[in-house]
Amino acid sequence: GQSLEQPSEVTAVEGAIVQINCTYQTSGFYGLSWYQQHDGGAPTFLSYNALDGLEETGRFSSFLSRSDSYGYLLLQELQMKDSASYFCAVHASGGSYIPTFGRGTSLIVHP
Amino acid sequence: DGGITQSPKYLFRKEGQNVTLSCEQNLNHDAMYWYRQDPGQGLRLIYYSQIVNDFQKGDIAEGYSVSREKKESFPLTVTSAQKNPTAFYLCASSMGPAGGPVNEQFFGPGTRLTVL
Repeated sequence: GQSLEQPSEVTAVEGAIVQINCTYQTSGFYGLSWYQQHDGGAPTFLSYNALDGLEETGRFSSFLSRSDSYGYLLLQELQMKDSASYFCAVHASGGSYIPTFGRGTSLIVHP
Repeated sequence: DGGITQSPKYLFRKEGQNVTLSCEQNLNHDAMYWYRQDPGQGLRLIYYSQIVNDFQKGDIAEGYSVSREKKESFPLTVTSAQKNPTAFYLCASSMGPAGGPVNEQFFGPGTRLTVL
């Protein structure tokens, strides 16, 4: 089976930087995705890492360490609209490569 | 505009009734998926389909059924056998089969099902 661990809640202030960690256990690891979901809305894709290192997309970056079974999502210059839930999802051969989602991290951005 | 539509947004049913949730996409995607989300939980896979006329059970398929007669459509039926059907149901699609070079999933707006 597959399991993922991420913090249930993170709080930060506008303009700050926040890091949301994700650790996973799986066999046949293929890649790690991140999704954002605003309350009551549809998840939207943020990033995908298959190789070690940092992927940067605007204010958001995602990091993967395959040897440590660990990744994180880094959000810079936080804005109020970034308040949402963030899910990491692991893709593995054991799950037919379909993403298995973590329980999500609720990010609360304060003014 | 291309996208995924789900209807209805809110659905109420009496216990013991079957109900079918609609999911349509015009993205020309091969793969489609159904997830269930409970409060404070992640998304759990119910069923998925990589190609027309073929579908596979996910992690929590019991009490659900699907069909994939057309590429654009992947309806989900919640049967009376599902013990706790009240949840938020999300449909998604992706360009190619899982494990291919493109892994991004596109989600519909969801259907919130309440069984009374």
